[in-house]
Amino acid sequence: SQQGEEDPQALSIQEGENATMNCSYKTSINNLQWYRQNSGRGLVHLILIRSNEREKHSGRLRVTLDTSKKSSSLLITASRAADTASYFCATDPRLMDSSYKLIFGSGTRLLVRP
Amino acid sequence: EPEVTQTPSHQVTQMGQEVILRCVPISNHLYFYWYRQILGQKVEFLVSFYNNEISEKSEIFDDQFSVERPDGSNFTLKIRSTKLEDSAMYFCASPLGNEQFFGPGTRLTVL
Repeated sequence: SQQGEEDPQALSIQEGENATMNCSYKTSINNLQWYRQNSGRGLVHLILIRSNEREKHSGRLRVTLDTSKKSSSLLITASRAADTASYFCATDPRLMDSSYKLIFGSGTRLLVRP
Repeated sequence: EPEVTQTPSHQVTQMGQEVILRCVPISNHLYFYWYRQILGQKVEFLVSFYNNEISEKSEIFDDQFSVERPDGSNFTLKIRSTKLEDSAMYFCASPLGNEQFFGPGTRLTVL
């Protein structure tokens, strides 16, 4: 898989259920960030987790990071219809002379049914 | 969330024409990025700009592309001779700490 690949590609759940999205990457990273994108709109920053962190919470969001497996997960608890969007992970790869650019995954399209 | 603004929100142009996309990043930041997203695909890095110079660019960022800081607060992405495949959303991004905050994007449609 490429740097920053999410699975599943699409997820459909009922309002109130939890949604879990996974992201895998290949290189060492400085940090990993999750973004939300409503259809045709901009990218909204959700949360950043550093390479030395294992878990982070923000409201209904919980992010985990396993650097040994080069993977991360985003959990949205008690989902709402307004959570319907595409979710992307983006890694800041630890590279020589890096300009701290982000490498994005293909995203998970989440549909929360009311 | 810190505000990054972009203009125009939508640009329609004819193939071969030049377009200039504008961005106002978080103020007083030296690092700045452009990304693009072709419809239905992933967000791709184009170029990073640091202290008025290109810091890094991707393979996509060929001679048709240029980036400038015409004044202290605005950044521009210029595509000299647009192609059909340049149709995409173009995002600028500005870092705050380690986080990157994105503008709302410019949807470029090349006919």
